[in-house]
Amino acid sequence: AQKITQTQPGMFVQEKEAVTLDCTYDTSDPSYGLFWYKQPSSGEMIFLIYQGSYDQQNATEGRYSLNFQKARKSANLVISASQLGDSAMYFCAVGNSGYSTLTFGKGTMLLVSP
Amino acid sequence: GAGVSQSPSNKVTEKGKDVELRCDPISGHTALYWYRQSLGQGLEFLIYFQGNSAPDKSGLPSDRFSAERTGGSVSTLTIQRTQQEDSAVYLCASSWGLAGADTQYFGPGTRLTVL
Repeated sequence: AQKITQTQPGMFVQEKEAVTLDCTYDTSDPSYGLFWYKQPSSGEMIFLIYQGSYDQQNATEGRYSLNFQKARKSANLVISASQLGDSAMYFCAVGNSGYSTLTFGKGTMLLVSP
Repeated sequence: GAGVSQSPSNKVTEKGKDVELRCDPISGHTALYWYRQSLGQGLEFLIYFQGNSAPDKSGLPSDRFSAERTGGSVSTLTIQRTQQEDSAVYLCASSWGLAGADTQYFGPGTRLTVL
């Protein structure tokens, strides 16, 4: 069984500041992937970033980076230079190597203020 | 290219009626997934298709729920004798179906309201 824990139900950040959204995971599979998705108020799930369990370097995609600490089973999302459009729910998910069904956390609501 | 599409975008039905939700995946994607998201909650896995077969139906909450996929493309999720607790957003996703954890791309969802 897999489990994702997102301990921050809500986060506030000012525009142009960086913010870290926490995610810890539990999986018995030695090979797995970690994903972050953004869900704005429109409801659509938007893929942001992926980290494979055997990747040596932390993943980066534009303003998004993933702080992957395998021994601690943590995969925090860092958003640099926050923008008003970043206000949304953010979900962390883990998928195993057998097939790609994802297990999601309960999400963190991020609000970016001017 | 086009993303994942779902129809209808909204469905209001009366308790006890049957509903069908449709998902059209990204062209070429062999894997297709259905999830359910209740108000203010995370996503709950329902069923996974690889091609036309469903190796994992473990998430279907009851035998009132069924899904099929034809031609390795379009999928239909059917809920029979709907109950008020079935009210949720039903999200479909597709991926290349590669070995290992490959990225799933989601559709806009169908918001189901059971009165």
